[in-house]
Amino acid sequence: AQSVTQPDIHITVSEGASLELRCNYSYGATPYLFWYVQSPGQGLQLLLKYFSGDTLVQGIKGFEAEFKRSQSSFNLRKPSVHWSDAAEYFCAVVPRDTGRRALTFGSGTRLQVQP
Amino acid sequence: NAGVTQTPKFQVLKTGQSMTLQCAQDMNHNSMYWYRQDPGMGLRLIYYSASEGTTDKGEVPNGYNVSRLNKREFSLRLESAAPSQTSVYFCASSEASEGWYTEAFFGQGTRLTVV
Repeated sequence: AQSVTQPDIHITVSEGASLELRCNYSYGATPYLFWYVQSPGQGLQLLLKYFSGDTLVQGIKGFEAEFKRSQSSFNLRKPSVHWSDAAEYFCAVVPRDTGRRALTFGSGTRLQVQP
Repeated sequence: NAGVTQTPKFQVLKTGQSMTLQCAQDMNHNSMYWYRQDPGMGLRLIYYSASEGTTDKGEVPNGYNVSRLNKREFSLRLESAAPSQTSVYFCASSEASEGWYTEAFFGQGTRLTVV
């Protein structure tokens, strides 16, 4: 079955430390890939997206993500986390090979940043 | 610079009451979506509209109806609210068709409580 998996429900990192959030997908053809962030009580903001081309994608707020076809993964990274990065992060996909052009989301990873 | 606007932002309903959530976008997008967000489950697609005049069921359509009133507006109706419909509802829009897709933009959400 088609799915998006974020294996880490909750992650805590210290301010200034590096961050990697994992995302794996199970689709026949590589879907369009996205990372969204949601601050408490807010809507969703797009961090970055991958459609094709260079497998390392740069986004806003210093985030980047790497697409690895062999691992069906699209992990989000940041070299140095700031306290303001505390939020919930969602990996999402849109399939290329079906008629439904709608986002399917992972269950999310909540990031806590320690001072 | 409004983007996607949802009303209301908060609502409390009694079991069995009905209500309509309103959504409007000003980006001239062809596709619009309704999602619900529940803790630990990410966002799940309720209904979507690929273009004006069309609507299709998503992952969790039971208990909901939608209307694509025109290109700008897409409403979600709960005919007889149930406690299981307590959730945060998000509307989104994107430009999408067979073979291509652009990023989705989200509203700020409607927090609905059914008692």
